[in-house]
Amino acid sequence: DQQVKQNSPSLSVQEGRISILNCDYTNSMFDYFLWYKKYPAEGPTFLISISSIKDKNEDGRFTVFLNKSAKHLSLHIVPSQPGDSAVYFCAASANAGGTSYGKLTFGQGTILTVHP
Amino acid sequence: GAVVSQHPSRVICKSGTSVKIECRSLDFQATTMFWYRQFPKKSLMLMATSNEGSKATYEQGVEKDKFLINHASLTLSTLTVTSAHPEDSSFYICSASRDGMIQNQVQETQYFGPGTRLLVL
Repeated sequence: DQQVKQNSPSLSVQEGRISILNCDYTNSMFDYFLWYKKYPAEGPTFLISISSIKDKNEDGRFTVFLNKSAKHLSLHIVPSQPGDSAVYFCAASANAGGTSYGKLTFGQGTILTVHP
Repeated sequence: GAVVSQHPSRVICKSGTSVKIECRSLDFQATTMFWYRQFPKKSLMLMATSNEGSKATYEQGVEKDKFLINHASLTLSTLTVTSAHPEDSSFYICSASRDGMIQNQVQETQYFGPGTRLLVL
């Protein structure tokens, strides 16, 4: 049972344009969401996160939007750069409050390619 | 940022042998480490949560006797795949958690190792 889904296996975007990566979840207990970026032969690196008490979190070029009623979140990258080309994973945690989120459930990942 | 290493990065072994994978947090102490497995074109699946000095907590469906986890120190956790078979071939990734500053707030963050590619012949 895939509780976190990224239905688009790949996304291709022109440099300077916006990249929108989507993620859906089914478990209503999830209350903390994260996006990770992964280059080949490297482990995932943390990008940005959002708590379920918010619907938007912005950090530089990266913005994550959360729609709890639709159980959907998205990552916006603007402007996209060739160096953003990587696999992006969304992840979710069912940890209530605090600064620790513990166990993560990952989506399948979306390969983003940003063309110069 | 925090650095987590894994060794070996790639291993090929014969069916029936055991393989040990090490996960080290190089510049911080991690009371909790996680072991994930990733199948091709699939998501990272949490296998177990490892706490220093105590027994690991395994996820449903993960065989404890097959995947032995030891977290002997605050900087080292090991995963041993015992009596490996071809179906154990996979990409294994560990992560170590620590508190960090995320957007000016203290937030626990998981730092991932580069992963270990296991191929069982």
